[in-house]
Amino acid sequence: KAGVTQTPRYLIKTRGQQVTLSCSPISGHRSVSWYQQTPGQGLQFLFEYFSETQRNKGNFPGRFSGRQFSNSRSEMNVSTLELGDSALYLCASSWSGTSDEQYFGPGTRLTVT
Amino acid sequence: GESVGLHLPTLSVQEGDNSIINCAYSNSASDYFIWYKQESGKGPQFIIDIRSNMDKRQGQRVTVLLNKTVKHLSLQIAATQPGDSAVYFCAERRGSGGYNKLIFGAGTRLAVHP
Repeated sequence: KAGVTQTPRYLIKTRGQQVTLSCSPISGHRSVSWYQQTPGQGLQFLFEYFSETQRNKGNFPGRFSGRQFSNSRSEMNVSTLELGDSALYLCASSWSGTSDEQYFGPGTRLTVT
Repeated sequence: GESVGLHLPTLSVQEGDNSIINCAYSNSASDYFIWYKQESGKGPQFIIDIRSNMDKRQGQRVTVLLNKTVKHLSLQIAATQPGDSAVYFCAERRGSGGYNKLIFGAGTRLAVHP
């Protein structure tokens, strides 16, 4: 079956702009988690959605938000972009989100100039 | 490809040797641990997991050991192959209700030399 897909794969934005990233989970998976990966901070948890509800949230400012649709697809949005938001944004899906295996997508590489 | 981490600790091994990658975790309340492998340009790939009520779990060529007393996790790879070259992350699960909120370690780069 198809894996987790993320679009776009690469994105260049300017400071102050906003951006929306998309994630399509594996068919049948209802939990979607988002992570930010940078060389300095490593992999950091952003938030997790299940059945259109945010169940868990990491320590990121309110500029980072997300949502999940009824088909389990998820989007994350970053408003008022800062240079430090440049990172690889990874999405992971799992069936229930309760310690079952998470499958990661290839990520979206965001560069803020 | 994209580099995952520019200043990660590196473990260099010869092809065919066994590799041991170590990880210290911080929260004694964490109840579930996972090892991931990340190759350049790709997302992390699940390798093996272990729950806190176990101290050892074996997979194909991999073994995870958990020492809760000192909050230490290790990944052993037997007969390391060039295809094992990647960055390896340990992750611990925290969060109410057991939902997936994974806290990742900094990662270790494994370099396998022929």
